[in-house]
Amino acid sequence: DAKTTQPPSMDCAEGRAANLPCNHSTISGNEYVYWYRQIHSQGPQYIIHGLKNNETNEMASLIITEDRKSSTLILPHATLRDTAVYYCIVRASGAGSYQLTFGKGTKLSVIP
Amino acid sequence: GAGVSQSPSNKVTEKGKDVELRCDPISGHTALYWYRQSLGQGLEFLIYFQGNSAPDKSGLPSDRFSAERTGGSVSTLTIQRTQQEDSAVYLCASSQQGGGQETQYFGPGTRLLVL
Repeated sequence: DAKTTQPPSMDCAEGRAANLPCNHSTISGNEYVYWYRQIHSQGPQYIIHGLKNNETNEMASLIITEDRKSSTLILPHATLRDTAVYYCIVRASGAGSYQLTFGKGTKLSVIP
Repeated sequence: GAGVSQSPSNKVTEKGKDVELRCDPISGHTALYWYRQSLGQGLEFLIYFQGNSAPDKSGLPSDRFSAERTGGSVSTLTIQRTQQEDSAVYLCASSQQGGGQETQYFGPGTRLLVL
């Protein structure tokens, strides 16, 4: 039950902004959008999450459309170390929603 | 501060042998999760511990799998009589208190190969 849709792969030039899209057209009002990434041979790494407002932290920015049916993760200045698979997931806030499920994600390749 | 740590980082075993995988959560985190990730597959939930509550074992694939958490901190995932299909990366995560909206922080994983 794919609740999110992401492109399978993207390339980005080193130093440029990487904009990773995610569609979540069936998102419910109490569901948050989370982004994780997984660098090869490492565990998943939390990046950012949001409900409806745009969010920014030291790693990235998250832009959520007004209708909340899609979002974009922005890495402002991509580096080679940002090469990874990026997962967009939606999570409800209720009890029992702690089971994370990742789809296939977007494989981002940052090119020198 | 220290993140989630797991040991061993890699484990190769023979079919039929038992293995134990260890997870040290972030200090102060009361919730602990085990997942596994097979090659090219997504994340599969295994078990969830929260404080002194009974664990949620609903994701354990068979009775060969068990896990315990001693003293509310370190956790051990045990796989008995390993099978080749058990080969995967076993990931542990922790969060502050558990529940739906808590951010889970993952360890580096244990890569298990059953020959």
